[in-house]
Amino acid sequence: SSELTQDPAVSVALGQTVRITCQGDSFRRYHVSWYQQKPGQAPVLVIYGKTNRPLGIPDRFSGSSSGDIASLTITGAQAEDEADYYCHSRDSSGDHVVFGGGTKLTVL
Amino acid sequence: EVQLLESGGGLVQPGGSLRLSCATSGFIFSTYAMSWVRQAPGKGLEWVSTISDSGGRTYYADSVKGRFTMSRDNSKNTLNVQMNSLRAEDTAVYYCARTSWSGFYNYFDKWGQGTLVTVSS
Repeated sequence: SSELTQDPAVSVALGQTVRITCQGDSFRRYHVSWYQQKPGQAPVLVIYGKTNRPLGIPDRFSGSSSGDIASLTITGAQAEDEADYYCHSRDSSGDHVVFGGGTKLTVL
Repeated sequence: EVQLLESGGGLVQPGGSLRLSCATSGFIFSTYAMSWVRQAPGKGLEWVSTISDSGGRTYYADSVKGRFTMSRDNSKNTLNVQMNSLRAEDTAVYYCARTSWSGFYNYFDKWGQGTLVTVSS
């Protein structure tokens, strides 16, 4: 099965814009989704189908994808956005699911 | 309101078995695929298995294939996973997640709060 690669940690100043990236061969065929997880809590879906935002997710969260790179962008990061972020997709076979290793976002 | 509530976690010895359940409400259970995703202490998310809406198709991670069996009861809106031959590396919080699995799409849009499975002697 294919792998999804994320940077382990990223930081952003309060109110600034940050991009979290994920590399995966399967993105050429399957859409990526993104999850936010805060300590002690279950993950929350923030982006699905590359660019779609579920109801209730602030519009400062956006997604994009080009080739084998997918990105989650937070425009105007808030203190409450500090969390772990995971990308996710199917693998190249389509019968397995893969997660990235996660990116810990620190808001300074 | 969509609710997913896992149960059945606990301490089990290596080689032992455990059955997890996920009781759901607030949506038409029989129209959604469902999945289990786990997270070892201090680690990232790991997909475990997915079952189709009818229960006719199941998919497993290589790490659990042949040891875990996922099932569902659409009359009771309940998801299950039978875990056999448990290993220390199966220690994790297990989440059930409502799943969209169609065409190019695959995402988990609702999650339970998780149940902890500890495999240790």
